[in-house]
Amino acid sequence: EAEVAQSPRYKITEKSQAVAFWCDPISGHATLYWYRQILGQGPELLVQFQDESVVDDSQLPKDRFSAERLKGVDSTLKIQPAELGDSAMYLCASSLDRDRATEAFFGQGTRLTVV
Amino acid sequence: AQSVTQLGSHVSVSEGALVLLRCNYSSSVPPYLFWYVQYPNQGLQLLLKYTSAATLVKGINGFEAEFKKSETSFHLTKPSAHMSDAAEYFCAAYSSASKIIFGSGTRLSIRP
Repeated sequence: EAEVAQSPRYKITEKSQAVAFWCDPISGHATLYWYRQILGQGPELLVQFQDESVVDDSQLPKDRFSAERLKGVDSTLKIQPAELGDSAMYLCASSLDRDRATEAFFGQGTRLTVV
Repeated sequence: AQSVTQLGSHVSVSEGALVLLRCNYSSSVPPYLFWYVQYPNQGLQLLLKYTSAATLVKGINGFEAEFKKSETSFHLTKPSAHMSDAAEYFCAAYSSASKIIFGSGTRLSIRP
């Protein structure tokens, strides 16, 4: 069964360091999402791609976060510099397209701890 | 503002009892609704989705949800809880901006 792949599963980094997460969506899925989930809360959308284009990054803290999806396939989310408040689960998801009836499939997530 | 509201951050039921998890959505949200389940340190797994084909939607693991437009609700139910149902459950919806917005989640505990 096709899955969304994310790496690493866990990451511990020191404050002010750079950190990067990688996501490989299900083959053929045009839409890719990055969500941040703080413990005890629902996922919050950080950025949404349609193919290689960003269609929504309104909640992405652009002073320290960046995301790219070169060639419209896999994607990288970067934080530089990391802050203590960035500790959270970072979830990647993909869907066939922006059709509203299409559900998103999620990866296992990356648990980030900033110390 | 478009929103999804889950009533009750924590629900506890006995094994074998009815599970009812409540979800209300704002009327400005298009009626494309989802329930996801999340186990500790895992991603989200789709339980079921409503896409206007039928108001009663059946999902995996014996769960179902009923769409009620008049109440702007999409509650999740399961007739008989099993220990393996213990997890976090999220209601979600497509916003008019074609992005998925989530409720704050309900943690389901099962008592032996």
